[in-house]
Amino acid sequence: QSVLTQPPSVSAAPGQKVTISCSGSSSNIGNNYVSWYQQLPGTAPKLLIYDNNKRPSGIPDRFSGSKSGTSATLGITGLQTGDEADYYCGTWDSSLSAGGVVFGGGTKLTVL
Amino acid sequence: EVQLVESGGGLVQPGGSLRLSCAASGFTFSSYDMHWVRQATGKGLEWVSAIGTAGDTYYPGSVKGRFTISRENAKNSLYLQMNSLRAGDTAVYYCARDTGSGSMAFDYWGQGTLVTVSS
Repeated sequence: QSVLTQPPSVSAAPGQKVTISCSGSSSNIGNNYVSWYQQLPGTAPKLLIYDNNKRPSGIPDRFSGSKSGTSATLGITGLQTGDEADYYCGTWDSSLSAGGVVFGGGTKLTVL
Repeated sequence: EVQLVESGGGLVQPGGSLRLSCAASGFTFSSYDMHWVRQATGKGLEWVSAIGTAGDTYYPGSVKGRFTISRENAKNSLYLQMNSLRAGDTAVYYCARDTGSGSMAFDYWGQGTLVTVSS
C-alpha cells in the first residue's frame, strides 16, 4: 500500500489531454514539493516535473504539474503513442511512520 | 553528459550481504546529494536511502539498520552496503542524483542493477 494514492490506469486518444492525480496528506504533499516521473517499459524513471510545476531542461511543455492542498496533478496534452508509460508522483514525508521520500503506486497511461 | 552506472547486483541467499556501487560522471559529484531507489518486478518505486554532500545519511524504516549508504567523492562513487538481506529486498536498484532544489526530486538515474535474494 503506497503512501501516495494514484489511479492504477488512465487512457485517452492521441492528441487528447489526460490528467493523473496523486493524493496524500499534510505530512507529505500538503507541506512538501511534488515531483513526477515517467517510466517507459524496461527503462529507468525519468524526471518530468519537480517542485510541483517546474520542468527540467528538455521536457516539453505538453507536461505540466500542479498542487492544491494535499493533492497534486500531472497533466499531459497532445497525447502521443510514445507517452504510453507508467507515471509516478513522489514527495518527502515527514511522518514518523514514513520518514523519507515516498512515491505513489504508479499510473499506467494507455494512448488508445 | 551526466552518467550513473550501477554494478554489484546478483543472486544472494537470505541473510547474506551485497555491496552495490554507482559510478558517476559528467558532473561535480561532491556537490550533489545522492539516493538509492529500488523497484521490485512489476511494482512501484521505493526510496531506499540518501546521502548528503556532508555525508549525512537517511533511510526508511524498512532498511534502517540493515543497509548503509556511503560515498567516495575522490572516486565519484556511491555505494550501498546491504546486510541481512530478505526475499522482500529483491528488486532492481537504481542510483539517482538529487536535483539540488531541496525538494527530494531525482533528475538523473542509472540503468539499475538487479538484486535477487533467494535460496
